Amino acid sequence: GENVEQHPSTLSVQEGDSAVIKCTYSDSASNYFPWYKQELGKRPQLIIDIRSNVGEKKDQRIAVTLNKTAKHFSLHITETQPEDSAVYFCAATPPLKAAGNKLTFGGGTRVLVKP
Amino acid sequence: GAVVSQHPSRVICKSGTSVKIECRSLDFQATTMFWYRQFPKKSLMLMATSNEGSKATYEQGVEKDKFLINHASLTLSTLTVTSAHPEDSSFYICSATTGVYGYTFGSGTRLTVV
Repeated sequence: GENVEQHPSTLSVQEGDSAVIKCTYSDSASNYFPWYKQELGKRPQLIIDIRSNVGEKKDQRIAVTLNKTAKHFSLHITETQPEDSAVYFCAATPPLKAAGNKLTFGGGTRVLVKP
Repeated sequence: GAVVSQHPSRVICKSGTSVKIECRSLDFQATTMFWYRQFPKKSLMLMATSNEGSKATYEQGVEKDKFLINHASLTLSTLTVTSAHPEDSSFYICSATTGVYGYTFGSGTRLTVV
């Protein structure tokens, strides 16, 4: 099955600096890679996703890059703000089947943005 | 957008009792729902995949007789923790697929077994 590794497990940055989180996956069949932000006691919220036919995607201060050959993808947050403090999870899944495919999550990165 | 409602948000129960958690897709039909368990400061661990009208598929190491999953309709899946013990205390979250590549999460249930 799929295995997703995520690094670092914790990340502390100064407000205004950039944060980068990296994930690797094992199953070359995976082709959908979402990123989730989870605040304490809340549900994971999708912040950005990328499909394997795209190498990079950007949404305002957030960007994701994908290297299919190396089987890794990264989340980039620029101009970090205190409200970016949360736990971030990467995930990977193979192409959707009729019954739905399960997401495999990375271990999570706890991001702390210091004012 | 697609909304998944999960109830209850918090529940405290006594050891040995059973607890049922509901997950409903409010504005779409979810043929597949997923149940996760999350320990403090840990990632989401998939427990089982729930398919409407058929038996759930459990991940390795998850006791199917302990965690009963029923997906009787296209909008409702339930997780029942049977004969709960303190070690079952955790945060349980459901998720439903909303079409190709779409996954929406419920708000989670904090279960405390005393």
